[in-house]
Amino acid sequence: SAVISQKPSRDICQRGTSLTIQCQVDSQVTMMFWYRQQPGQSLTLIATANQGSEATYESGFVIDKFPISRPNLTFSTLTVSNMSPEDSSIYLCSVRRGQGAREQYFGPGTRLTVT
Amino acid sequence: AQKVTQAQTEISVVEKEDVTLDCVYETRDTTYYLFWYKQPPSGELVFLIRRNSFDEQNEISGRYSWNFQKSTSSFNFTITASQVVDSAVYFCALSATRGSARQLTFGSGTQLTVLP
Repeated sequence: SAVISQKPSRDICQRGTSLTIQCQVDSQVTMMFWYRQQPGQSLTLIATANQGSEATYESGFVIDKFPISRPNLTFSTLTVSNMSPEDSSIYLCSVRRGQGAREQYFGPGTRLTVT
Repeated sequence: AQKVTQAQTEISVVEKEDVTLDCVYETRDTTYYLFWYKQPPSGELVFLIRRNSFDEQNEISGRYSWNFQKSTSSFNFTITASQVVDSAVYFCALSATRGSARQLTFGSGTQLTVLP
């Protein structure tokens, strides 16, 4: 498994502001993912973040709204920009250790409320 | 395209009852992986099990068991002698082996409530 931490664990933000969420892993991992889980819903993949390359965004998510950084093999950030109440969700970081790995492990999530 | 269906939105049982969570999947890939995750009220997603499409052997781990049937595209999860601590949302997920399909596709989740 992998030990994944996220900061902050929760936040309440005002409309129009931005929040950067940090994801730290206890060991080097190849693939990192960011998911969104809207209230009462399942998980939706926002983007895949591989070190040394631009993040790959899923349909419906754009870099201007959700910029991602992946400076090394143990750390990534997701920024939720120009927030609106519709961005209120749990944001989860997830990792897969290698190209051949199948298990995907998740961080504890960041609960974001936008007022 | 991949799809995972968890038809049961909510299930409520009394402690010590057995409960089965259903999962049906669709994929065009011949090789794929199936997963179950548990999300307790704290919000963290806990990995429970992975099965490979070429291995239909069912598995038991303590009070948990999984029934994988390729013929019906189902991967059901049974909790025996349920406990209050089993209360959580359970997600079934699917991952193929190539390209963008390697990403996890989640079902909508089943909220399990175990009453004392």
